[in-house]
Order: sequence, then structure tokens, then C-alpha cells
Amino acid sequence: GIQVEQSPPDLILQEGANSTLRCNFSDSVNNLQWFHQNPWGQLINLFYIPSGTKQNGRLSATTVATERYSLLYISSSQTTDSGVYFCAVGIQGAQKLVFGQGTRLTINP
Amino acid sequence: NAGVTQTPKFRVLKTGQSMTLLCAQDMNHEYMYWYRQDPGMGLRLIHYSVGEGTTAKGEVPDGYNVSRLKKQNFLLGLESAAPSQTSVYFCASSYDLQPPNLSYEQYFGPGTRLTVT
Repeated sequence: GIQVEQSPPDLILQEGANSTLRCNFSDSVNNLQWFHQNPWGQLINLFYIPSGTKQNGRLSATTVATERYSLLYISSSQTTDSGVYFCAVGIQGAQKLVFGQGTRLTINP
Repeated sequence: NAGVTQTPKFRVLKTGQSMTLLCAQDMNHEYMYWYRQDPGMGLRLIHYSVGEGTTAKGEVPDGYNVSRLKKQNFLLGLESAAPSQTSVYFCASSYDLQPPNLSYEQYFGPGTRLTVT
């Protein structure tokens, strides 16, 4: 089946720093989502981005489907950005999501 | 608009007991899904449904059954709980057929934390 790899697995930054999270996938997809799982376990939708570039405030994402990767950019990090960031790709007609292992981001004050 | 809701939020079972988790969505989505998340891992698909009255197996279906009798509800059943089913269970829904909203974006419920002793 399709493989989804995220890097880095862990990232520790000071408040105000910028970061780039990467998601590689092993096959063609027509659905890709980025999620933030906060310390309370809630999954928050960040981007639905099968291709192209989107921005939402301090966050932006780019998916290059032909090269099978996606990037999530976080600028001017805040402590509330801490948590685990998941990339997930949708497969087949029902768009079942296959998740990566996540990147754990810790923002220190 | 409540989105995706799940009941209960927490549950402790003894080995061999049964229970049903309820998922409800009010977004008129066609597709619904059940995932489980184990510590330090991403989510894995248990079962899914592409419409009322339909169900299909996902990546880790053993020990679970599902039903979708109404479009807005998706039930996950554990017939005989085992300690290996201790996990956090997430329900999701997607696929709005109404333009201009046509999208496969999945929206998740808050999760159910299940412990089997």
C-alpha cells in the first residue's frame, strides 16, 4: 500500500522561529490533508491541499503532486502551535486517509 | 452546526464485554469513517461507509463491526473487547455533493478514549 513519511519526527523551537515540515508519499494521490493534533487530542484541519499552495495566516502549505511531496510552513511560531502535525493522503474512490507518523512540534517560550 | 460528534467520550471495559460507539454528523456528508489511534502513531482506518446502508473494511477491521442505517449516523461495535483494542477512536465524515462545496475533505470528531482491562 501507499507509504507516507513525515520529517522531522521531532522539532523543538523557540517562540518566534519559523519551521518547515515535510510529507513524502509513495504513490499518486488526489487528496492530501494537514492536521494539527493539539495536546488535548483534538484533530484540527489545517489544509486540504491535493495540489498547489494555500495560506492561512501564519501557516502555508504547498503540495507538488508530480514529485509526491507536501510542505507545511509555520512562521513566527507561538506556544499554542505545539502539538503533533499529521499529513494524510486520500486513496481510491472513498478517499480513505492514510496517515504519516506525525511531526511533534514543541515551541518553548 | 455541530459538525461530527461522538459518544461516549471515555469508556472503560472489561475483557469480553461489548459496547457500541456512536458517531453523528450534520454536514450531509456521504462518506463516514472510523479510525483508531494508538500511542505515538498516526490514525489507522477500521471501517468506512460510502453511503447509507453500505459498509466496507479498512486497514484494521478485525474485532469490530459497523452499521450505517441512517446517513447521518455511523456505529462502531466491539462484540468482545480485548486489551489490544485499548485506543482512541476517531470518527470522520467527508464528501459533500452539493456544489460549490464539492470536496473530499475529512472532518473529525473529538474522539473516544477506550480502555479495556
